[in-house]
This record gives sequence, structure tokens and C-alpha cells, in this order.
Amino acid sequence: GQQVMQIPQYQHVQEGEDFTTYCNSSTTLSNIQWYKQRPGGHPVFLIQLVKSGEVKKQKRLTFQFGEAKKNSSLHITATQTTDVGTYFCAGPIKASKLTFGTGTRLQVTL
Amino acid sequence: DGGITQSPKYLFRKEGQNVTLSCEQNLNHDAMYWYRQDPGQGLRLIYYSQIVNDFQKGDIAEGYSVSREKKESFPLTVTSAQKNPTAFYLCASSRLAGTDTQYFGPGTRLTVL
Repeated sequence: GQQVMQIPQYQHVQEGEDFTTYCNSSTTLSNIQWYKQRPGGHPVFLIQLVKSGEVKKQKRLTFQFGEAKKNSSLHITATQTTDVGTYFCAGPIKASKLTFGTGTRLQVTL
Repeated sequence: DGGITQSPKYLFRKEGQNVTLSCEQNLNHDAMYWYRQDPGQGLRLIYYSQIVNDFQKGDIAEGYSVSREKKESFPLTVTSAQKNPTAFYLCASSRLAGTDTQYFGPGTRLTVL
């Protein structure tokens, strides 16, 4: 079936190291959204990308939408303990609703 | 203070009992959604509603029911037909149906004993 996959499923880094999660869709997307869920919390919207090849930055976070609009990435520079959580991408596989990716859980230790 | 509320935060029920989870929003959003999340897993869509008095099944609707009688409210009933109901249930809303940004409530952790 049509899916949105993310890799890696889990990553453990030392504080200060960089982190990247990749999102891949089985179909071309009109847009891609990213959400963050802290442990025990609920997903919170981070950003939306719409254009092919678009790059957006939020402080230490860099989001990119692939040229073919079938993949996206989130890169965190110099991770901090506050970055801990699960990062989900989401895209409109079907017109009427978003499909969330499988998520990447990030653990950061001192 | 606008947002989405879900109650209760924790809920315990005996096997075989139906239970209804509350979801209310005061964001004036048209669309509302229910997701199920199991430990270490992603979000699976149970039901969604694009407008009042209308709703559609998501990917895992079996054993669940919903209603949308008011724009602000989208309660989810977990019936005894749901074989593994213990999970974290998240409600969300978006301004418009479709691919609009979703805003999530704090969730309800349901444990069936």
C-alpha cells in the first residue's frame, strides 16, 4: 500500500552531535509536514514544505523537500537534550487526509 | 485560550465494557481526527470527520465508533469488539479537511484490564 517510511527508526547521539532523519513516500506529495512528539506528549507541528527542493531552517533544524517531492529530511545541528523525542513526517498520500510516517525516535545523552 | 482538550488523561476499564473518550476543540476547525498510538509506534488513523454530521473510517476503524453532532466535539467510543484496546488515543483537528496542519490534544491513555 501507499506509505510514508522514515529512517532510522531510532538514533542515540551524544549532545553536540548532528542528527538526520529521512522521510520517503511511495508517491509524489503536494506538501510534507514535520511534527515532534516529546516523550509522554502529543505531536506538535513544526513546519510545512511545499515547493520542490525547498529548504527551510528553524534555528538548529534544517528541513528539506526533495526535487521529486517524494522525500524529505530533517537535520539537527549540535543536538541538545531538549531535542529528545520522536519526529514524524506527514504527507497527503490520499487527497482527503494526511498519512504520518513511521517516526524516528531521537535520544540525546550528555 | 484556544486548543483541543481530551478527557480523561488516564482511563481504566474492564474487558468487555464500552468506553467513550472525549475530544473538544474551540479552534473553529472543520475537520477532526482520531489516532491510535501503541508504544514505540507511529500514528494510525481510526476515524476522521471533515464536517459536522459526517465522518469516514480510517485505517483501523474496526471496534470503534464516533459521532460528530457538533463542530466542537468528536467523541470516540471504544467498543468491546476492539480486540486490543489498550493504547494511547490522540485527537486532532485542522482548519480544513485534507492536508491542512493538524493540532493535537494531550491524549488519553486507555488501559483495559
